[in-house]
Amino acid sequence: DAKTTQPPSMDCAEGRAANLPCNHSTISGNEYVYWYRQIHSQGPQYIIHGLKNNETNEMASLIITEDRKSSTLILPHATLRDTAVYYCIVRAPFRTGTASKLTFGTGTRLQVTL
Amino acid sequence: GAVVSQHPSWVICKSGTSVKIECRSLDFQATTMFWYRQFPKQSLMLMATSNEGSKATYEQGVEKDKFLINHASLTLSTLTVTSAHPEDSSFYICSASHGGQGQFFGPGTRLTVL
Repeated sequence: DAKTTQPPSMDCAEGRAANLPCNHSTISGNEYVYWYRQIHSQGPQYIIHGLKNNETNEMASLIITEDRKSSTLILPHATLRDTAVYYCIVRAPFRTGTASKLTFGTGTRLQVTL
Repeated sequence: GAVVSQHPSWVICKSGTSVKIECRSLDFQATTMFWYRQFPKQSLMLMATSNEGSKATYEQGVEKDKFLINHASLTLSTLTVTSAHPEDSSFYICSASHGGQGQFFGPGTRLTVL
């Protein structure tokens, strides 16, 4: 799986958009970008994933550059509850009948402040 | 849907004793379960992958005789830390997968060995 690089920490004011970058310059053609987050002392929570098109769900938006070498997770209106460590993970797609491991990097610690 | 539970949520034990942690998929059948360990201020590290009905596959450096994994059914996997020592104190997290549906994480179990 391709390696990812994320800033170690970021701050964001409550109500503002949080934009979390991720570099994955060695990503290969069939690898997806997944984002998880981990709130303190809890298990990771899936946020979103994408291949090459931008994706949006009720939690966040994922913007992937055209060359796919980087992506940005956007939390449109951050709240205090969004304070967590955010992990960007690149890996091959899950396929029916198989399951593959996720390799967690160090992630970005997002602190949302009043 | 896709809820994974762990029991206990925290446990304190004496050095030399064994501790069993359960991981259950509550609303889906998990063909594969993963066990992770997380030390304070560090990322999740995969310990082993278990498929229902077969032996677990351990990551390099993880002692299979110390960390016993049983995945006897499609909804339950157990991790037993045998002869626990203070250095085994950590946050243990499981995840469950049913092929193409991705990985869903449990809330974690905090183990403290005195």
